[in-house]
Amino acid sequence: QSVLTQPPSVSGAPGQRVTLSCTGSSSNIGAGYDVNWYQQLPGTAPKLLVYGNNNRPSGVPDRFSGSRSGTSASLAISGLQAEDEADYYCQSYDSTLSRSVFGTGTKVTAL
Amino acid sequence: QVTLEESGPALVKPTQTLTLTCTFSGFSLSTSGMRVSWIRQPPGKALEWLARVDWDDDKFYNPSLKTRLTISKDTSKNQVVLTMANMDPVDTATYYCARIRLGDCSGGVCPIADWGHGTLVTVSS
Repeated sequence: QSVLTQPPSVSGAPGQRVTLSCTGSSSNIGAGYDVNWYQQLPGTAPKLLVYGNNNRPSGVPDRFSGSRSGTSASLAISGLQAEDEADYYCQSYDSTLSRSVFGTGTKVTAL
Repeated sequence: QVTLEESGPALVKPTQTLTLTCTFSGFSLSTSGMRVSWIRQPPGKALEWLARVDWDDDKFYNPSLKTRLTISKDTSKNQVVLTMANMDPVDTATYYCARIRLGDCSGGVCPIADWGHGTLVTVSS
């Protein structure tokens, strides 16, 4: 099982703001390791959405924003759109496992 | 433009060894700072990092799978090969290869901007 825990699902009305959490521990996020976020549309490879906690690659809409605090990180989607329906994964590094780790994933649904 | 493509068998039997090849273009794995990783995703489940090979031929493995994995690179062919021994039905997954640039890494974590499309491997007798 992953050491980064995410809620299985989050939903919101179009236009609403939704927040996804990624909860870790003192051996990963809490140790100061950065967090990246990925969006995975059905049947496709993950796409980098946020890197270094709160940076967006070129081309990613600014309605996606990331943050990190303590042993957790969050991804906010402001103005949820139907095209945002996807699975979202956080990623960090775990010093106990000595490897990159991914979160359990959150499925976002636009109601 | 960076592209990566995974290839290998779609079906393997339990106890067999899986061999996957990642063929890439748009970069050279002999360039300082370049890395290629393998990551897998069982159907409906989360991503799991498997292994990585660096431009200087350093190799890193998921400790929980280390005894079963071997990663190698062929710079002249622009290929990275992953072998996984003693396959089991729980290893059924989509296997992705991905390019990582050391210069993108921060805070101990490396973002993955370039992914292959993935290849589904089913383990069944």
